[in-house]
Amino acid sequence: GAGVSQSPRYKVAKRGQDVALRCDPISGHVSLFWYQQALGQGPEFLTYFQNEAQLDKSGLPSDRFFAERPEGSVSTLKIQRTQQEDSAVYLCASTLAEATNEKLFFGSGTQLSVL
Amino acid sequence: GQQVMQIPQYQHVQEGEDFTTYCNSSTTLSNIQWYKQRPGGHPVFLIQLVKSGEVKKQKRLTFQFGEAKKNSSLHITATQTTDVGTYFCATGANNLFFGTGTRLTVIP
Repeated sequence: GAGVSQSPRYKVAKRGQDVALRCDPISGHVSLFWYQQALGQGPEFLTYFQNEAQLDKSGLPSDRFFAERPEGSVSTLKIQRTQQEDSAVYLCASTLAEATNEKLFFGSGTQLSVL
Repeated sequence: GQQVMQIPQYQHVQEGEDFTTYCNSSTTLSNIQWYKQRPGGHPVFLIQLVKSGEVKKQKRLTFQFGEAKKNSSLHITATQTTDVGTYFCATGANNLFFGTGTRLTVIP
């Protein structure tokens, strides 16, 4: 595609619900990143994939957060038993290269609100 | 991950004034990238600096990487209302870590 596509654009969940956020990176991009951005803050790293391999998940805040990229293209970030503190914009980014010495292309994000 | 601190957190300028944001680290950085995020938008890549003392210009924007590769700055000359947004520095070898950002407001 022309850019990184994320869906849904907005998601409202009741506390305790599970949510799944989708990211469709730019075609052919090897690396895929998930970030969490709270209101007024900078993006916080969550996890990183190189093709289908999850090379770093050190930023995932708890075991309620799970990400996958089974075929090395589309990725899903799943949050189980959502809590109010999970409310944030979840940004996906991709890059052609295998490391971040290339620029990241960001999607428009999914704004998650947990009530 | 690597920590980078940005100052100031907020900056209000009159249109036509200059603006500078600073990015500082206590450790030597392999690279620095700068991104701009418009209100309600997503971060958009501006530039990458990798060499000690490097200076790059994009029209009214000037980016510098310190000699010790521990700090960087972004300077905007004669700001315009289109410059409004939050400017982030980011660094990292395999994972990119973002600074806290400087939110620029331009008063027409």
